[in-house]
Amino acid sequence: DIQMTQSPSAMSASVGDRVTITCRASQGINNYLAWFQQKPGKVPKRLIYGSSSLQSGVPSRFSGSGSGTEFTLTISSLQPEDFATYYCLQHNSYPRTFGQGTKVEIK
Amino acid sequence: EVQLVESGGGLVQPGGALRLSCAASGFTFSSYRMNWVRQAPGKGLEWVASIKEDGSEKYYVDSVKGRFTISRDNAKNSLYLQMNSLGAEDTAVYYCARGDLLDWGQGTLVTVSS
Repeated sequence: DIQMTQSPSAMSASVGDRVTITCRASQGINNYLAWFQQKPGKVPKRLIYGSSSLQSGVPSRFSGSGSGTEFTLTISSLQPEDFATYYCLQHNSYPRTFGQGTKVEIK
Repeated sequence: EVQLVESGGGLVQPGGALRLSCAASGFTFSSYRMNWVRQAPGKGLEWVASIKEDGSEKYYVDSVKGRFTISRDNAKNSLYLQMNSLGAEDTAVYYCARGDLLDWGQGTLVTVSS
C-alpha cells in the first residue's frame, strides 16, 4: 500500500500569509494526487487534481505542484474562509490513501 | 446538478450489520466509478471501497475486507455498502463519492455501540 505522509499536521497563520502544505508518497504515484479542503461539519471539497490542476470554481490563490513522490499545496495569500483542514489523496492505485490532514488555524 | 444522497445509517450493536445506500442523480451513473469514504469522529478521511462502472471490479481497504461489500444497481442509479460484523472502529460518517472524489454526498452517520 502507498503511504501518504502529510506535513505539518497543524499550523497557525495570519490572513495574507503564504501557506505551504507538503505530502510525500511512499512510492511514485504518477501525479495522481488530489487536495481537499474540509471545514468543520462540512463535506470535503476537491481543490486540486492531477497534482496541479485547479478545480473549476476554486480561487486561483490555491495551487498545487510536485511530481514523483513529493507534492505541495500552496495558498498564496490566506483568506479568512481558508481556515480549514486540508488532505492529500493518492488515486494512482488501490487502496486509495489520504494524508493525515493539516489543520490551518488562525494565528 | 450532481446529487448524491446517502441513507441507512444509524445505531447498531457490535457484531451487527447495516446496509448503506446512495442515490445518485444529475449525471450518467453507469459511466462513473463510485466510492465510499468514511470519517470517524474528530479523525481524518479514510477511503473504504470503490466499484468500477459496471460493477466488475471492487476494491477495499484492508480493515473492511471480508466484512463490507460494495455494490451498485445502474438501473436504479444507486450505490450500496453492506456492512457486517461491525465494531466500534467502524463508527464514522460514511460518504459516497463520484469518480476521483470530485463530488460527495452529505454523509450518513453509523454508530456502533451497545
